[in-house]
Amino acid sequence: DAKTTQPPSMDCAEGRAANLPCNHSTISGNEYVYWYRQIHSQGPQYIIHGLKNNETNEMASLIITEDRKSSTLILPHATLRDTAVYYCIVRADNYGQNFVFGPGTRLSVLP
Amino acid sequence: NAGVMQNPRHLVRRRGQEARLRCSPMKGHSHVYWYRQLPEEGLKFMVYLQKENIIDESGMPKERFSAEFPKEGPSILRIQQVVRGDSAAYFCASSSGTEAFFGQGTRLTVV
Repeated sequence: DAKTTQPPSMDCAEGRAANLPCNHSTISGNEYVYWYRQIHSQGPQYIIHGLKNNETNEMASLIITEDRKSSTLILPHATLRDTAVYYCIVRADNYGQNFVFGPGTRLSVLP
Repeated sequence: NAGVMQNPRHLVRRRGQEARLRCSPMKGHSHVYWYRQLPEEGLKFMVYLQKENIIDESGMPKERFSAEFPKEGPSILRIQQVVRGDSAAYFCASSSGTEAFFGQGTRLTVV
């Protein structure tokens, strides 16, 4: 079972920031927070991951609370092409750990 | 560096035939994961392999399904005696230990 809770759907206006929340209250000290997205029926796309520090790359920013029980993925300027299902996954980078996908958040970017 | 390559992209099989799905990981990646996605449903983990070893097959159906990742060559997901319920998109991902990158999937249709 997924160890994360996400809202089932969200809307965002084109050009605005999309803030996608994720709760992971049972996260362990060695578990990372990963974000993926799936656009229509394509293969899931890796976005970003982090342990406890905030992370930023060319796609998004990841803000992790100090207690690590929740995080927020930020798409700074959402476009129509960002419409997708976004998955928040908690996973330890130990040998033998796979990626467990929950239902995710369906983000609709509106013109 | 080419991404994860899956072939074929589309596969049609008659009931009772065998389906072989191939996954070539990214260069330098020794971890491979297989997932299945039924129409309008989420991604379900099937199996996690490293070279010549099955690490976790907890998501594999007990019968008709098998997977391998030989020392040389792609990972193979094999489905024997396919039934209509096997119709789905099958995704593989590869990793060097941290983030995993997904292929575009094989869409299996059983007629």
